[in-house]
Parts: sequence; structure tokens; C-alpha cells
Amino acid sequence: EIELTQSPATLSFSPGDRATLSCRASQSISTYLAWYQQKPGQAPRLLISDASNRATAVPARFSGSGSGTDFTLTISTLEPEDFAVYYCQQRTNWSITFGQGTRLEIK
Amino acid sequence: EVQLLESGGGLVQPGGSLRLSCAVSGFTFSNFIMSWVRQVPGKGLEWVSAISGSAGRIYYGDSVKGRFTISRDNFRKSLYLQMNGLRVEDTAIYYCARVSGKEGYFDLWGRGTLVTVSS
Repeated sequence: EIELTQSPATLSFSPGDRATLSCRASQSISTYLAWYQQKPGQAPRLLISDASNRATAVPARFSGSGSGTDFTLTISTLEPEDFAVYYCQQRTNWSITFGQGTRLEIK
Repeated sequence: EVQLLESGGGLVQPGGSLRLSCAVSGFTFSNFIMSWVRQVPGKGLEWVSAISGSAGRIYYGDSVKGRFTISRDNFRKSLYLQMNGLRVEDTAIYYCARVSGKEGYFDLWGRGTLVTVSS
């Protein structure tokens, strides 16, 4: 099973800042990685698929990059509604795993 | 309106069984792979199972293999999860999720149903 490590567990920023979140895979997963946003009491929302493709209706301030084992989600200018938990997820041969999540909190 | 609506959660004793349902509307259900994903409240996400549009391909996570059974009824536009041999560690919110195309990403989610396994 491929493990995904998201670090740190919590990041603190102010609105207007640029945020960079990290996800590392225990072995190469090419670009088979997605990012999700989850707010309290809500289901996750798909933001990015295949490492860098923004999902429908996702604002352009969200971007993804990386391949192999190291991936990044960047939020260029944080809006108040962006403070949430973010998960990465890999898909290889239907052995799907998620990272443990990074909480983005307001400084 | 595109919607996934789970039901069937509740309190069950260890070793017991429960059947979850997910009613779908707003898209052509039979064209999509569907999945179950669970989340212990306040914790991370765990993929549980997936089923192809025709039900010809079925996949399970290691932690539920042999205990859970996924199925679907394309006429009723419904997805199911039969859970047997439930354990305390199966306690979680269970989400029904649509898989994006042929990929293993989840582009549409229900609101979830809580399953609590406790004596």
C-alpha cells in the first residue's frame, strides 16, 4: 500500500498570504494524485486531479504541481473561505489511499 | 439537481450487520464508477470500495475485504454497501462518492451517514 505523508499537520497563515502544502508518496505514483478541501461538517471537495488539473469551478488561485513522489498544492492568495483541511489522494490500480491531511488555520 | 443521498447508518453491536444505501439523482448513474469512502469523525479519509457502472469490476480496501459487499441497482439509481462482521474500528461517517470518469478520483460526494459500532 502506498503511503502519503502530508506535513506539517497544521499551517498558520493570514488572508492574502501564499500557502504551499506538501504531499509525499512512499513510492512513485507518476501524476496520479488529487487534492481535496474539507470544511467542518461538510464532505470533501475535489480541487485538483492528476496532480495539476483544476476541477470544475475551482478558483484559479488553487494550483497543483509535482510528479513521482513529491507534490505541492499552492493557494496563491488566501481568501477567508480557504481555511480548511486539505487532503491528498493517490490512485494506483484501485489501491487508493489518502494523506492524513493538513489543516490550514488563520494566524 | 445533482445529488447523492446516503441512508442506513446507525448504532450496531460488534459482529453485527448494516446495509447502507445511496440514492442518486441528476446524472446518468449507470455511466459512472461509484465508491464508498469513510471518515472517523475528526480524523482522515479512508477509501472503502468501488464498483464499475455495469458492476463487472469491484474493488475493496484491505481493511474491509471479506466483510463488506458493494453493489448497485442502475434501474433504481442506487448504490449499496452491505457491512457484516462489524468492528469498533468501522465506526465512521460513510460517504457515497462518484468517481470522475475512469479515474480513481472522487468528484461528487454525498453528505454521509454515521455508522457507530459499539456494545
